[in-house]
Amino acid sequence: AQKITQTQPGMFVQEKEAVTLDCTYDTSDQSYGLFWYKQPSSGEMIFLIYQGSYDEQNATEGRYSLNFQKARKSANLVISASQLGDSAMYFCAMRESNTGGFKTIFGAGTRLFVKA
Amino acid sequence: DVKVTQSSRYLVKRTGEKVFLECVQDMDHENMFWYRQDPGLGLRLIYFSYDVKMKEKGDIPEGYSVSREKKERFSLILESASTNQTSMYLCASSISGTGAEQYFGPGTRLTVT
Repeated sequence: AQKITQTQPGMFVQEKEAVTLDCTYDTSDQSYGLFWYKQPSSGEMIFLIYQGSYDEQNATEGRYSLNFQKARKSANLVISASQLGDSAMYFCAMRESNTGGFKTIFGAGTRLFVKA
Repeated sequence: DVKVTQSSRYLVKRTGEKVFLECVQDMDHENMFWYRQDPGLGLRLIYFSYDVKMKEKGDIPEGYSVSREKKERFSLILESASTNQTSMYLCASSISGTGAEQYFGPGTRLTVT
């Protein structure tokens, strides 16, 4: 079974609009971390945002926020006021504590296209 | 500025060759990882290491081996390259803990012909 599911292979958004990238996860662990990474066309993976399973508030980092719904096991990334430079692949990832905090599982990714 | 570097951005090798991919980090991180990235499959973990000379298999270790003789360096070895190992290879490092983000290198695009 997929541990991390990103159901949107590709998405379009108009510049300056907000966009939500979906991520659902599957774990029986109580303690885990959820991450979003961005991969521009240059190829380098860039960490965007982190949410701990015990964090009560949704994480925010500038224009990025993570809509964490624990009961639904979803961790959607919201990008506000999209910019052309946001065009990239976005990966959702999870690290479970029962792996000693080492192993991170990645989703298949969503390619975001920002239109001018 | 934190850095993870990989020895090559692009590599072309022949079937059956032994291939070495090198990764170096300057952040004194305990953990280092090798992933391969293929379209539609995301990143899949090949091997990881949580200390010098320690290694653990990831999800797809077959056909690969690793070496970590020094804390800052983690090498991925393809003992006998095959065409199905043509892929993008990404190295990453992190400190320990569920909340620790990974720092990635620029990737090596390997083509096996």
